[in-house]
Amino acid sequence: EAGVTQFPSHSVIEKGQTVTLRCDPISGHDNLYWYRRVMGKEIKFLLHFVKESKQDESGMPNNRFLAERTGGTYSTLKVQPAELEDSGVYFCASSQVEGVLAEAFFGQGTRLTVV
Amino acid sequence: KNQVEQSPQSLIILEGKNCTLQCNYTVSPFSNLRWYKQDTGRGPVSLTIMTFSENTKSNGRYTATLDADTKQSSLHITASQLSDSASYICVVSPNLHYGGSQGNLIFGKGTKLSVKP
Repeated sequence: EAGVTQFPSHSVIEKGQTVTLRCDPISGHDNLYWYRRVMGKEIKFLLHFVKESKQDESGMPNNRFLAERTGGTYSTLKVQPAELEDSGVYFCASSQVEGVLAEAFFGQGTRLTVV
Repeated sequence: KNQVEQSPQSLIILEGKNCTLQCNYTVSPFSNLRWYKQDTGRGPVSLTIMTFSENTKSNGRYTATLDADTKQSSLHITASQLSDSASYICVVSPNLHYGGSQGNLIFGKGTKLSVKP
């Protein structure tokens, strides 16, 4: 069974450009999460989808970030326009069940570099 | 502010030796504490998940302990192997009944472990 996959694995863009990251969760996983790690910092939560609905988007840094999950399958995270401080590794994770012990499976991450 | 602090930042040990990684947290109330292993260029992989009522949990050569009173956890690796070289991340999940959310995990910065032959 395929795990969580993310595209692209690396992206280098100029400040002011737009970038779209994609995440394909494990098939059948209703819960999908986005996280990111900026240089030297810990991984931080961005948002949580349950199917196509945003359950919690309290971690989204500002309105330059837009996450979608149309149809409740794959998700995209768009950054527009990108700023230098957006550089980091963006992780997607998915889980099958809800609840406090739901085990989240992570993708390999997308390394975003804004120059 | 809810925080998870890990020590040491990095650690080098010889293959076959044991080691213990530490995690102190201030997240309160919390639901569960997790240890993840992250290989370079890969996403984190879960090793253990413990609720506040559990004191210890093992996964092969990995044993995690939890003291909810002192808000400390440790991850003990026995008979280390070269493949254990990775970052080990302590993650705390806030209690859902007190405003936390399922995905809003609080991560430590990790301990980078290098196992040398």
